[in-house]
Amino acid sequence: QQQVKQSPQSLIVQKGGISIINCAYENTAFDYFPWYQQFPGKGPALLIAIRPDVSEKKEGRFTISFNKSAKQFSLHIMDSQPGDSATYFCAAAGSSNTGKLIFGQGTTLQVKP
Amino acid sequence: DSGVTQTPKHLITATGQRVTLRCSPRSGDLSVYWYQQSLDQGLQFLIQYYNGEERAKGNILERFSAQQFPDLHSELNLSSLELGDSALYFCASSVRGVGELFFGEGSRLTVL
Repeated sequence: QQQVKQSPQSLIVQKGGISIINCAYENTAFDYFPWYQQFPGKGPALLIAIRPDVSEKKEGRFTISFNKSAKQFSLHIMDSQPGDSATYFCAAAGSSNTGKLIFGQGTTLQVKP
Repeated sequence: DSGVTQTPKHLITATGQRVTLRCSPRSGDLSVYWYQQSLDQGLQFLIQYYNGEERAKGNILERFSAQQFPDLHSELNLSSLELGDSALYFCASSVRGVGELFFGEGSRLTVL
């Protein structure tokens, strides 16, 4: 019940294309859903986060779509660029401690020029 | 640069040994978190400290312990090391234990 399942494990997209990564959770007590981006040799960095009171949040080329009834959320990267090549992690936490994150297994994204 | 500093960046040691990983949080952040990243387990929450006190515990082994000092830096102690403890250990900090986590660049531990 504490798991966050992420797919796909890896993704190859052409420059300018749309990258889509999906996550699913089971624990209905989760109410904070961030996405983290990690480059090789670096720590994860927060990309964008959403709470279940909204169904979509957009920041630049990055959009989170959230489906509370299905307990699923996804990250869309529009106009994907080679610089977006990284590992992306979805995560979930309860509002009482948003730093105690349950992470998905990660998606390695490669954007080809 | 997240502002979170971790030392050492790399550490190679033998089974049965003990090591200490150090973390300095961002200036002003009261909460420190430790995470372990490995190929098979992914990113896992270990433990959280808030202003010197333990706040939350995750999948942390009994051989591991942590503390946060009055100057807010934190140390993660790993003892009786096993091959399976080889991993990246990340420290993260946040202002009050809610909101965005800022991760350091990690300490890579190799147990031979």
